Amino acid sequence: DAKTTQPPSMDCAEGRAANLPCNHSTISGNEYVYWYRQIHSQGPQYIIHGLKNNETNEMASLIITEDRKSSTLILPHATLRDTAVYYCIVRVGSNYQLIWGAGTKLIIKP
Amino acid sequence: NAGVMQNPRHLVRRRGQEARLRCSPMKGHSHVYWYRQLPEEGLKFMVYLQKENIIDESGMPKERFSAEFPKEGPSILRIQQVVRGDSAAYFCASSPRSGTGSDTQYFGPGTRLTVL
Repeated sequence: DAKTTQPPSMDCAEGRAANLPCNHSTISGNEYVYWYRQIHSQGPQYIIHGLKNNETNEMASLIITEDRKSSTLILPHATLRDTAVYYCIVRVGSNYQLIWGAGTKLIIKP
Repeated sequence: NAGVMQNPRHLVRRRGQEARLRCSPMKGHSHVYWYRQLPEEGLKFMVYLQKENIIDESGMPKERFSAEFPKEGPSILRIQQVVRGDSAAYFCASSPRSGTGSDTQYFGPGTRLTVL
């Protein structure tokens, strides 16, 4: 069973920052937070992951709260091509299985 | 850099036939994972392989399904005597090491299997 809770859908205006929340209140100390997205049934695309610290790469930023019970994925300047289902996954460090929930369907509007 | 490659992208089979799905991992990756996605659902883990070894097949149905990752060539997911319930998207992922911790899995485009 997925160990994360995400809103089923969100809208965001093109050019604005998209902030996608994820609740993982039962996360353990050795569990990583991963974000993937899936654009219209294509293969999942890796976005970013983190353990404790905030992370940033060319695609997005990941903000993890100090107690690690929730996180936010930030797409700084959303474009229409960012419309996708976004999955937040927590994974035990020693486990390779990715457990997928229902994700958040993000719709970017012009 | 070539990503994870899967073929065929679409496969149509009649009930009772065999389906063979192929996955070539990213260059330098020796760990392969297969996931299945039913319509409107998230992905479900099926099997994890290293070269010539099945590490974990706990997510794979006990009958009709098998997987291999030979020393040379792609990983193969084989479904014998397909039934309509096997219709799904099958995704392969690869990682350079064990896929644990911060070791990221990268996914291919998937094979969409339709059973008539």
